[in-house]
Amino acid sequence: EVHLVGSGGALVQPGRSLRLSCAASGFTFDDYAMHWVRQTPGKGLEWVSGISWNGGKTGYAGAVRGRFTISRDNAKNSLYLQMNRLRPEDTALYYCVRGPDSSGYYFDHWGQGTLVTVSS
Amino acid sequence: SYELTQPLSVSVALGQTARITCGGSNVEIENVNWYQQSPGQAPVMVINRDSSRPSGIPERFSGSNSGTTATLTISRAQVGDEADYYCQVWDSGTAVFGGGTKLTVL
Repeated sequence: EVHLVGSGGALVQPGRSLRLSCAASGFTFDDYAMHWVRQTPGKGLEWVSGISWNGGKTGYAGAVRGRFTISRDNAKNSLYLQMNRLRPEDTALYYCVRGPDSSGYYFDHWGQGTLVTVSS
Repeated sequence: SYELTQPLSVSVALGQTARITCGGSNVEIENVNWYQQSPGQAPVMVINRDSSRPSGIPERFSGSNSGTTATLTISRAQVGDEADYYCQVWDSGTAVFGGGTKLTVL
């Protein structure tokens, strides 16, 4: 069974940094692209970033490009999101998500999410 | 940027058929995916590539895509189908989600 367990969410002040992690199990991690998708409390879904199976290709939403960096460590079956210069509008539940491709197809398994709150 | 438009809410009587629409410019040329999010839970993919149903998703769920509207159809609606439903496509390397539709089963 596929398991995606996100961690690292916290309350952080605007302008600070935070690193999210996602531990994957139950499948061959380096067979898949991975993504981060966020959801503002009570609102809809927003794709944040995606990375190819070997990390060679990454993509970002316009709202986070230049501030966030996605990466992965296939030896550790782990996905990361380095979030810099955080803003209040980055407050959201961040889901670690699996997909066949870093910029196409669908999102076939979702983790439970880790909550990031940006506030002074 | 590409936009997907969904109705805020849809209601359906128990056992009847619910149809949730997703509108977008020439959406028929896109591969539309659908996700179900039950209260307090992470989203679950129920339809991919317009009409493909993943393993474990009941046959009551089906999808279609034509012209400017993609549609998720839920037959014989059950109380357990009450959830938010989101459509999604890819546009220029960015995933785009619709605003979501809350399905209520009466």
